[in-house]
Amino acid sequence: DVQVAESGGGLVQPGGSLRLSCAASGFTFRNYWMHWVRQVPGKGLVWVSRINGAGTYTNHADSVKGRFTISRDNAKNTLYLQMNSLRVEDTAVYYCARDSDHYCTDVWGQGTTVTVFS
Amino acid sequence: QSALTQPPSASGSPGQTVTISCTGTSSDIGRYNRVSWYQQHPGKAPKLVLYEVATRPSGIPDRFSGSKSGNTASLTVSGLQTEDEADYHCSSYADNKWVFGGGTKLTVL
Repeated sequence: DVQVAESGGGLVQPGGSLRLSCAASGFTFRNYWMHWVRQVPGKGLVWVSRINGAGTYTNHADSVKGRFTISRDNAKNTLYLQMNSLRVEDTAVYYCARDSDHYCTDVWGQGTTVTVFS
Repeated sequence: QSALTQPPSASGSPGQTVTISCTGTSSDIGRYNRVSWYQQHPGKAPKLVLYEVATRPSGIPDRFSGSKSGNTASLTVSGLQTEDEADYHCSSYADNKWVFGGGTKLTVL
């Protein structure tokens, strides 16, 4: 089965850091761009970051630029999101998603919850 | 506030047809035919139901269709079934980033 599974969420105070991981299986991970998308429960989805298959190109939403860094380890079939200088407004469920090559994402994980509280 | 505007709710009876709109700008929906729609049941991950405005991924029934006019895209669900009750999110590519709507809760009465 093609799947991705996030981990690493938790509780953190403002200004703190967390690293999210996303383990991929069932497909050739290095061949796909990957994304992080977040969602406050009951609200809409928000795109966060993306990375190309080789890990040589990344871009981030303005709201996280300079604080979050997306990366990947193709040998481990794992995607990462390093989140620094966390803010209360970063509280959300974070999803890892595979790019479909059609400007959308076709495989999503179940998400991992990040809560930033003061 | 989301970049794309969707109605917060929509509803229909089983067998009926419902259309959900998604309004953006000339920088996203109006510029690119790269609109996608996602279905999300409570507590579940989003699921792709349409991409590139009107293309269905494998396994999505043809009851789901899409269109676009100007800065507005639409998702139409015909022959409503109880399992179609979910949140629907639209998305558009927009100059090296993606924007989403706030989501529409579809209720099957």
